[in-house]
Amino acid sequence: KNQVEQSPQSLIILEGKNCTLQCNYTVSPFSNLRWYKQDTGRGPVSLTIMTFSENTKSNGRYTATLDADTKQSSLHITASQLSDSASYICVVSPNDYKLSFGAGTTVTVRA
Amino acid sequence: DVKVTQSSRYLVKRTGEKVFLECVQDMDHENMFWYRQDPGLGLRLIYFSYDVKMKEKGDIPEGYSVSREKKERFSLILESASTNQTSMYLCATKRQGVIYGYTFGSGTRLTVV
Repeated sequence: KNQVEQSPQSLIILEGKNCTLQCNYTVSPFSNLRWYKQDTGRGPVSLTIMTFSENTKSNGRYTATLDADTKQSSLHITASQLSDSASYICVVSPNDYKLSFGAGTTVTVRA
Repeated sequence: DVKVTQSSRYLVKRTGEKVFLECVQDMDHENMFWYRQDPGLGLRLIYFSYDVKMKEKGDIPEGYSVSREKKERFSLILESASTNQTSMYLCATKRQGVIYGYTFGSGTRLTVV
């Protein structure tokens, strides 16, 4: 069983609308949680990284939250743009070399 | 910016062929990684390397080997390609001791027929 579960698997939103992606994890111990954006045919690019002590971090229109007690994270996209169409991957790390990847949420933004 | 270059975007190989996937980075990072990515699954670690000539098995090393003769180059080798190795392969690099600094290449989509 994957230790990082993401939901929904995919979603479609209209340009300009907001959306929230969910990530639940069971990875232990916990060092940090990252959100990556992966465009089709490209490698993942880091959006945010949060440690145990951080509960929110923003990168432009992307805001990630972390609740380490419940082992949940979310990624909120504000005022979506067509360029936000991508796969968003939640990654939890117990140490410097081990990353546990979620399967990703595919976001499609339509005009 | 760190540049991680994978030599091929798309490859088609025949079953039983020996396949080399190359990854080159230009920022002197000590750590390099090979992952495969399949639909519905998260990225899975095949092998990683702490430094030159050092390698460690990841979660799914079976059917693969690696070579790191120079710091900037990390090669993934499929000794005898099989159809279940059809996948997207991603290389990543990171500076030793820096937790946050993973940088990924653009990937090689390998099809084994």
